[in-house]
Amino acid sequence: NAGVTQTPKFQVLKTGQSMTLQCAQDMNHEYMSWYRQDPGMGLRLIHYSVGAGITDQGEVPNGYNVSRSTTEDFPLRLLSAAPSQTSVYFCASSYGVNSYNEQFFGPGTRLTVL
Amino acid sequence: RKEVEQDPGPFNVPEGATVAFNCTYSNSASQSFFWYRQDCRKEPKLLMSVYSSGNEDGRFTAQLNRASQYISLLIRDSKLSDSATYLCVVNEVNQAGTALIFGKGTTLSVSS
Repeated sequence: NAGVTQTPKFQVLKTGQSMTLQCAQDMNHEYMSWYRQDPGMGLRLIHYSVGAGITDQGEVPNGYNVSRSTTEDFPLRLLSAAPSQTSVYFCASSYGVNSYNEQFFGPGTRLTVL
Repeated sequence: RKEVEQDPGPFNVPEGATVAFNCTYSNSASQSFFWYRQDCRKEPKLLMSVYSSGNEDGRFTAQLNRASQYISLLIRDSKLSDSATYLCVVNEVNQAGTALIFGKGTTLSVSS
């Protein structure tokens, strides 16, 4: 199994640009989520999904959209990038439909917004 | 926002030392507790879950005190490879369901 994969690994955007961060898992996990990690802060939940077609907001959803058309994929869209969105983004998945179980994280996407 | 607070660190210890990390959480309704390890510029990985009765995995021992809302991680006989950031993670129940709350992490540096 490849586990959780994320693309791209690095990205530089200009303010106002949009882009999609890709996340895929091959473990048939129902629960998937997106976090951002900033210096001096813990990981913060952006959006999560408990299954195909079901998504919900986390702690810091503003400026981001998600969709879950398949079990495997959970892309994160930045609608109009802002410097405050400079961060490291981690996608995670776990067995089951809640976050009780071990979270498997992807390698992260390091995003810089100029 | 519900908080998970950890020792600020960094902890700098020699090989072979015993080191303990502490963590407190604010939501008494929290149900599951974990320690994750994160190496520099890498993704977090589960180190161990924390059970009410306490649990041990080799050199690592985790304790939970629900009354005090306190979690600890003890590392015995530290190795160079233990150098990493340790994240205290609490699974809390809210109106939308469940959510993981991460502490900011405690950095451990083990030197020879």
